[in-house]
Amino acid sequence: KQEVTQIPAALSVPEGENLVLNCSFTDSAIYNLQWFRQDHGKGLTSLLLIQSSQREQTSGRLNASLDKSSGRSTLYIAASQPGDSATYLCAVRAGKSTFGDGTTLTVKP
Amino acid sequence: DAGVIQSPRHEVTEMGQEVTLRCKPISGHNSLFWYRQTMMRGLELLIYFNNNVPIDDSGMPEDRFSAKMPNASFSTLKIQPSEPRDSAVYFCASSFSSGPTDDTFGSGTRLTVV
Repeated sequence: KQEVTQIPAALSVPEGENLVLNCSFTDSAIYNLQWFRQDHGKGLTSLLLIQSSQREQTSGRLNASLDKSSGRSTLYIAASQPGDSATYLCAVRAGKSTFGDGTTLTVKP
Repeated sequence: DAGVIQSPRHEVTEMGQEVTLRCKPISGHNSLFWYRQTMMRGLELLIYFNNNVPIDDSGMPEDRFSAKMPNASFSTLKIQPSEPRDSAVYFCASSFSSGPTDDTFGSGTRLTVV
């Protein structure tokens, strides 16, 4: 059974700092890995999708990497802003998606 | 495309009543997923369909829960009878199973059973 773990569970940083969120998974037989953002009380918004054959994806200040063999992914956020405050979830897909519990990020002005 | 559309946005019902949640996936997507999210258990996959056929319903908590997908543009999740512990946010998501597109989530239905 696939298990997805996200560390840390919560993170608080001052505005402008670069940060890394971590995601690990137990079964490397995946189709893809996806990072989502969820604002409090809202739905999930897809940020980045990395196919199993890819190593990384970039979108603006976000960069996600994937090391399938070691079962790890990271989400790098550059020059963090208060508007980045949200819960970030990673999900691995093999038929169905399995989600981690998320990292709740607070960026202080 | 308007995205994945869920209705209602909020539902408050009394214990024992039947609840029906609705989802319209993105046109052209052939996979549909129902999730439940609570503070205690996080995001849980309940069931998913591929080409309108249920593929994995192992996440459905009890026989009180049932889901249908009569056609490619509509799905329902029904709880009968509802219980207070069913209170959660229920999300529907869709994707194209054989392609690179990512899962797209609806805004969710917040269910409160009193």
